[in-house]
Amino acid sequence: GQNIDQPTEMTATEGAIVQINCTYQTSGFNGLFWYQQHAGEAPTFLSYNVLDGLEEKGRFSSFLSRSKGYSYLLLKELQMKDSASYLCAVSRSGTYKYIFGTGTRLKVLA
Amino acid sequence: GAVVSQHPSRVICKSGTSVKIECRSLDFQATTMFWYRQFPKKSLMLMATSNEGSKATYEQGVEKDKFLINHASLTLSTLTVTSAHPEDSSFYICSARDIVGRNTDTQYFGPGTRLTVL
Repeated sequence: GQNIDQPTEMTATEGAIVQINCTYQTSGFNGLFWYQQHAGEAPTFLSYNVLDGLEEKGRFSSFLSRSKGYSYLLLKELQMKDSASYLCAVSRSGTYKYIFGTGTRLKVLA
Repeated sequence: GAVVSQHPSRVICKSGTSVKIECRSLDFQATTMFWYRQFPKKSLMLMATSNEGSKATYEQGVEKDKFLINHASLTLSTLTVTSAHPEDSSFYICSARDIVGRNTDTQYFGPGTRLTVL
């Protein structure tokens, strides 16, 4: 079956570092994506991993281990505007369709 | 780059009427667009895949006669909710796949359309 798991909610303090985990089981894998979504808005693309390892982009980094079916999104120097939902999505090979996780609602406190 | 627009952003209609939502890729071509539905505090549910020049493919449980999709050009897909009912009220989001970008699997999302059926 297809399954993508993320924690439902997380809370962190402004200036801190937070790691959001995502585990997946899918038939066929063609990459893993992280999106940020503020309430009432569309998701915005954050990162893409298809090979094992860490991809760094400014304050955000994303890691993938294909053998473990595991990824994480690392957010550094948290800001209040980072309060949002973070969606993990896996692209299935041959279809270009995404399977989305349930999303993690991150609350950044002052 | 990779901007997707949706129109309208918000629509309120009476039960039984039809509503058309447009999704446009503004600065890239998209042979494939996707339509999603999202309920409050839930993740995105894929409704259908819209392919330029051919019929859309619908996910299991999605009524094709209820949700009509037309992908007339490489930059435009439309979703028409026919004979809308209150249970169709939702946030509808489209995405487009950039066919020439570095990663052709990346989907770029439109800003969404909030549909309320009275």
